[in-house]
Amino acid sequence: DAKTTQPNSMESNEEEPVHLPCNHSTISGTDYIHWYRQLPSQGPEYVIHGLTSNVNNRMASLAIAEDRKSSTLILHRATLRDAAVYYCILRDVKETSGSRLTFGEGTQLTVNP
Amino acid sequence: EAGVTQFPSHSVIEKGQTVTLRCDPISGHDNLYWYRRVMGKEIKFLLHFVKESKQDESGMPNNRFLAERTGGTYSTLKVQPAELEDSGVYFCASSVLRASGGYTFGSGTRLTVV
Repeated sequence: DAKTTQPNSMESNEEEPVHLPCNHSTISGTDYIHWYRQLPSQGPEYVIHGLTSNVNNRMASLAIAEDRKSSTLILHRATLRDAAVYYCILRDVKETSGSRLTFGEGTQLTVNP
Repeated sequence: EAGVTQFPSHSVIEKGQTVTLRCDPISGHDNLYWYRRVMGKEIKFLLHFVKESKQDESGMPNNRFLAERTGGTYSTLKVQPAELEDSGVYFCASSVLRASGGYTFGSGTRLTVV
């Protein structure tokens, strides 16, 4: 599995934007970039995914570098409920019937009121 | 739609006993996965079902762990006999049968072996 690198922790203030970086310099052409987050005492929660183009959904935006070696998860206005561990994960699209997720340590996001 | 349901939410058993965890995926999700996080470690993949078939069980730690998904609906994960190092949180996830897209996880079962 291709490896991702994320900062261990980040802090933000409530109602400010948050940019969570992820490096994946060994990404292959068939890897999707997925983001999940895990709130305390809950299972991981899917946030967003993309292949090459930037993506937006109701939870966040995903900005993917042109060379695909890095990406940034953007929370446009952080709330206290966004405090969680955020995981950047690569998934190989060649696995047509689904494939495992390889979790790293993720980024612990703290949101200050 | 109902989410992924795991039962029980907590289980405390003695070393050597047997425990069975259950996962009910989202209806229509052919992919079902088991993961676990042991204390202080990262979330690790255990195995993957496609319908009732085991697609990938390379993450199962040893033969004390047995997963089943009869009929391709709910799945069980049995640990027999349980050891202290099996303590952790066991997560189940499901997804539709396609390459991309996200998985939906359950809230997990916290297993404590004493």
